[in-house]
Amino acid sequence: GQQVMQIPQYQHVQEGEDFTTYCNSSTTLSNIQWYKQRPGGHPVFLIQLVKSGEVKKQKRLTFQFGEAKKNSSLHITATQTTDVGTYFCASYGGSQGNLIFGKGTKLSVKP
Amino acid sequence: NAGVMQNPRHLVRRRGQEARLRCSPMKGHSHVYWYRQLPEEGLKFMVYLQKENIIDESGMPKERFSAEFPKEGPSILRIQQVVRGDSAAYFCASSLTGERSPLHFGNGTRLTVT
Repeated sequence: GQQVMQIPQYQHVQEGEDFTTYCNSSTTLSNIQWYKQRPGGHPVFLIQLVKSGEVKKQKRLTFQFGEAKKNSSLHITATQTTDVGTYFCASYGGSQGNLIFGKGTKLSVKP
Repeated sequence: NAGVMQNPRHLVRRRGQEARLRCSPMKGHSHVYWYRQLPEEGLKFMVYLQKENIIDESGMPKERFSAEFPKEGPSILRIQQVVRGDSAAYFCASSLTGERSPLHFGNGTRLTVT
């Protein structure tokens, strides 16, 4: 079945540094979604990318979808302590419509 | 506009007992997904349901686990004869139209098997 591989698994940064997490697939993805889960919380939808080469921004967050629609990235500029959490990419797998999540990148930010 | 409601938030069961986890989707949502999450791990897909139908249960163990989403009432994830390995957070999510729709997650049920 379809899988999305996410790297790195963990990232520790100093507040103010940038952060990037990458999501890769061996197959072409119809779309990619990104979620954030705060410690002890539940996943919260951030954004969806559908088009090849698409770039979307939300304040300090920049989301990209690769030209071949096999990879995606989330970049945070000048991290803040409020960015702490685990960031997941996800894509709909197979023909059944279930959303498959990557293993996530856990971000910690040192003040 | 209430979000996805899951109950209970915490559930403690002894080995061999049954666990019933409930999920009420957002108003107007007819697609429900159940995920399992172990500490420090990702979200593992279990089952995808629409009203009265199981669409995909490929992530759910064949034995002891079952799920339903009746015409009336919440979706139920049922685990029979629980074992310690079932201890995890179980998240329910709902979406409006299925594929390409964002998922809205509930707060989860933390199941502890003693």
